[in-house]
Amino acid sequence: AQKITQTQPGMFVQEKEAVTLDCTYDTSDPSYGLFWYKQPSSGEMIFLIYQGSYDQQNATEGRYSLNFQKARKSANLVISASQLGDSAMYFCAMREYRMTTDSWGKLQFGAGTQVVVTP
Amino acid sequence: DADVTQTPRNRITKTGKRIMLECSQTKGHDRMYWYRQDPGLGLRLIYYSFDVKDINKGEISDGYSVSRQAQAKFSLSLESAIPNQTALYFCATSERRGAIDTQYFGPGTRLTVL
Repeated sequence: AQKITQTQPGMFVQEKEAVTLDCTYDTSDPSYGLFWYKQPSSGEMIFLIYQGSYDQQNATEGRYSLNFQKARKSANLVISASQLGDSAMYFCAMREYRMTTDSWGKLQFGAGTQVVVTP
Repeated sequence: DADVTQTPRNRITKTGKRIMLECSQTKGHDRMYWYRQDPGLGLRLIYYSFDVKDINKGEISDGYSVSRQAQAKFSLSLESAIPNQTALYFCATSERRGAIDTQYFGPGTRLTVL
């Protein structure tokens, strides 16, 4: 079953506007971490932001913020004041903590959302 | 200088050839990973290593092998390349950030098998 779902395959946003990228996840483990990565056309994968399942506040990193709604199992990424350089593919990912083995599971990725920022 | 480097960045090879992709890191992390990325499938884990003597298979290890030559180096080999191994390959390292390891990726190696 799909653990990470990104329902928006692509979207356009105007420069200087905010954009929200949707991510929902599926887990029965109480401990997990949620991540967002950016992949520009050059191909590298860039870590943006992390949210732990027990974190009380939404994570923020500069223009990136994570809208974490635990009950709804959603972890949407908000990019404020979009810039042309924000055009890229964005991936949501999750790692689960397995109590039975006292270890963290593998990083699981969604299919990604392509963002194009227009002037 | 980049913290995680991959060589080569691009490679075109023929079916049946042996290929090695190399990864080096200056981050001082113990944990290293190899992933492949295919369009529409996100990233899938091939192998991972928690230290020099600890190597583990990921979800798609068939057709691949790895070597952890040192803490800073982790190589991925395709013993006999086949066309469906054409993909973008990423090496990653991880560090503890809060309660969890956060992974940092290299620039990727684009491999084409003809």
